[in-house]
Amino acid sequence: ELKVEQNPLFLSMQEGKNYTIYCNYSTTSDRLYWYRQDPGKSLESLFVLLSNGAVKQEGRLMASLDTKARLSTLHITAAVHDLSATYFCAVERGDYKLSFGAGTTVTVRA
Amino acid sequence: DAGVTQSPTHLIKTRGQQVTLRCSPKSGHDTVSWYQQALGQGPQFIFQYYEEEERQRGNFPDRFSGHQFPNYSSELNVNALLLGDSALYLCASSFAGSYEQYFGPGTRLTVT
Repeated sequence: ELKVEQNPLFLSMQEGKNYTIYCNYSTTSDRLYWYRQDPGKSLESLFVLLSNGAVKQEGRLMASLDTKARLSTLHITAAVHDLSATYFCAVERGDYKLSFGAGTTVTVRA
Repeated sequence: DAGVTQSPTHLIKTRGQQVTLRCSPKSGHDTVSWYQQALGQGPQFIFQYYEEEERQRGNFPDRFSGHQFPNYSSELNVNALLLGDSALYLCASSFAGSYEQYFGPGTRLTVT
């Protein structure tokens, strides 16, 4: 059974500082996804990582994938209040079925 | 271009009742997946429909069933509702062979 673990589960960030969220998964997977979810809302796609060594960046967020270590990271640079949300990673093994982590709830304080 | 739409937005049911949730995929998409997201948890895969057939199924009991229509829209049916079925139900659509899934706004189901 594919297991996806995120840590930390809760992250209190100070504005302007850098932080990293980690996503580990238990078996070989084809694709790694990062989503953002605001309270009471649906999932917003942030990144899709397709291969070992893939790195994608959008604004203050950067995601990377190490398939050998079965690890993805979401790096946040110079946190701002607008980044407060819950972030999920999900993996897929070519069967179009996404297996999600438990999520990391991010709060950015001044 | 309309994205994925779901109805209703919110729903309150009583234990033992049955419920039907609806999903219209993004234009051009032919595959619909359903996920259940309990409060404070990540979404769990329920099943996926393609060409009007169930293609994949997660670890959910037979009380959860679905259907896909010729226009690619889909329904999720849950029979004999339990309190534990209270959750946000998300529909995601994609195009066969494409890895990107687009999520709808969800239906919040409360079972009392």
